Amino acid sequence: DAGVTQSPTHLIKTRGQQVTLRCSPKSGHDTVSWYQQALGQGPQFIFQYYEEEERQRGNFPDRFSGHQFPNYSSELNVNALLLGDSALYLCASKTGLGNYEQYFGPGTRLTVT
Amino acid sequence: AQSVTQLGSHVSVSEGALVLLRCNYSSSVPPYLFWYVQYPNQGLQLLLKYTTGATLVKGINGFEAEFKKSETSFHLTKPSAHMSDAAEYFCAVSGLSGGYQKVTFGTGTKLQVIP
Repeated sequence: DAGVTQSPTHLIKTRGQQVTLRCSPKSGHDTVSWYQQALGQGPQFIFQYYEEEERQRGNFPDRFSGHQFPNYSSELNVNALLLGDSALYLCASKTGLGNYEQYFGPGTRLTVT
Repeated sequence: AQSVTQLGSHVSVSEGALVLLRCNYSSSVPPYLFWYVQYPNQGLQLLLKYTTGATLVKGINGFEAEFKKSETSFHLTKPSAHMSDAAEYFCAVSGLSGGYQKVTFGTGTKLQVIP
């Protein structure tokens, strides 16, 4: 049983560009959350998707957007990249909005130059 | 509102010594508490969790943590450190609000194990 998978593993972009990160949840999971982990920091909640809708959002600007597909996989899009967007982006999945236990993927390391 | 404070961004212990990583939390609803471990260039792996019931919880790799409501603490311990325990550890609190589980992480503690 595959766990949470993310692609790509690493990505280098230039300021002002746009990026799309992808996440496939653990089998049987229907809820996907995205986190940003800057160097030396804990993960910060970006947003959560359930039934193809954004259900919760953290304190991130509208440059950060997402999508969830009918197969529960998800994308994170970041527009107009800033140097400060350089971070490890983690995807986590679980079953249902009220469930507390989530499983994390290995992350995508985004570097903005 | 909820928050997590991890005391000590770096902790060094000798191999075989006691590991103690400190975590204090605040939460306006009954909290669920977690410890995660992160190895370099990897995602987060759940070590252990407290939801309800027994306040001393045991996790993987010999770690355990005790929920102390009066002290709002959830410190992580391991009796004898192993070289493979060198990693970064994150404490997290989760609370149910409006039907949603909101999770907040601490800033992490990097554990160094000295041979």
